[in-house]
Amino acid sequence: GAGVSQSPRYKVAKRGQDVALRCDPISGHVSLFWYQQALGQGPEFLTYFQNEAQLDKSGLPSDRFFAERPEGSVSTLKIQRTQQEDSAVYLCASSPGTGESPLHFGNGTRLTVT
Amino acid sequence: GENVEQHPSTLSVQEGDSAVIKCTYSDSASNYFPWYKQELGKGPQLIIDIRSNVGEKKDQRIAVTLNKTAKHFSLHITETQPEDSAVYFCAAPRATSYDKVIFGPGTSLSVIP
Repeated sequence: GAGVSQSPRYKVAKRGQDVALRCDPISGHVSLFWYQQALGQGPEFLTYFQNEAQLDKSGLPSDRFFAERPEGSVSTLKIQRTQQEDSAVYLCASSPGTGESPLHFGNGTRLTVT
Repeated sequence: GENVEQHPSTLSVQEGDSAVIKCTYSDSASNYFPWYKQELGKGPQLIIDIRSNVGEKKDQRIAVTLNKTAKHFSLHITETQPEDSAVYFCAAPRATSYDKVIFGPGTSLSVIP
């Protein structure tokens, strides 16, 4: 496909479980972002990669959140020991350049922690 | 840090009328201002953007105006159609970290047929 692909589309986890969310960006896009979107709110920045380098992880809420992009393409966001407050839509976006470039978003993964 | 505010939070218009959404930002060094449209169950999609070297940009029924002095920019949708119903987000990059784009809280637009 030509767009950003995220999987799974929906994830239900029991509190305390670990989850892994996958993002396939548009081929060739240098920049990759993860955002968290709570119901009725705007996306909140989590972390940013330029190729395989994680240049900014200041938005990650706690050390339970970890993201990687080992080969500069596919990225995984991992949440350990999930809590109810982690319930949200997790959006991945990619961009062909750095700096002020349009973001191409996937449709997100809706995580529900019970 | 950068703060992005958006008004109104909800907007309801009759089909064919115009809709205007306003956004204010705090970082005077910001130079890029995109607008995204998010439909239910989907990710945000860029609909128009503007850079600080111009004051207005149009794309068919959509336009964006920028006032850098006042630090606000607006989205204008003319001849609204039911398919324009969605949540609209403005965004601005933080000048200290241009790759970190800060989103506004969103405006839910309903176009009544």
